[in-house]
Amino acid sequence: QKEVEQNSGPLSVPEGAIASLNCTYSDRGSQSFFWYRQYSGKSPELIMFIYSNGDKEDGRFTAQLNKASQYVSLLIRDSQPSDSATYLCAVFEETSGSRLTFGEGTQLTVNP
Amino acid sequence: NAGVTQTPKFQVLKTGQSMTLQCAQDMNHNSMYWYRQDPGMGLRLIYYSASEGTTDKGEVPNGYNVSRLNKREFSLRLESAAPSQTSVYFCASRTGTNYGYTFGSGTRLTVV
Repeated sequence: QKEVEQNSGPLSVPEGAIASLNCTYSDRGSQSFFWYRQYSGKSPELIMFIYSNGDKEDGRFTAQLNKASQYVSLLIRDSQPSDSATYLCAVFEETSGSRLTFGEGTQLTVNP
Repeated sequence: NAGVTQTPKFQVLKTGQSMTLQCAQDMNHNSMYWYRQDPGMGLRLIYYSASEGTTDKGEVPNGYNVSRLNKREFSLRLESAAPSQTSVYFCASRTGTNYGYTFGSGTRLTVV
């Protein structure tokens, strides 16, 4: 079983819709969760992080965390064509080095 | 403030050649990381350095060596390049406030 799994893509939504990206993780001890956006040919950039159960909102982005279900999601409201990218879920391992484990990513396309 | 700087951006090597990928950060971060990214495989950790003077293997260390030269610099060396090492390599350092990574712009390496 992969440590961090994301819903398989690609995901295509119309402009203005809500895009929902999902991620599950296997390490129950994980405490910190991150969403990165990666445009084609570019490096990943951090867009959201969440530590506590519940929702965290930042503009059009909402991260949701359910530690009991080992589930984290990212909602993008009012999706724009500029949101078209690959979204990477990452989970923080509380071991030496404090390293992130990444999912394979979900490619999102927002159609005008 | 440059963040994380990687050099070179592109490189083509012949099988058996060696090279060093350079990474430097100016954010006074303790931890630095080297990842490779391949289609369908996501980001995989090669080596990391939790602090100056320490290095540890990640998920895919075979064929690579690293040096944490000082707090700013963390280099990745391929002693005898193989076609399987064709990939995009990302260096990252750890931010202190939210534990996320800041990534460099990447090195696209092709081994022929």
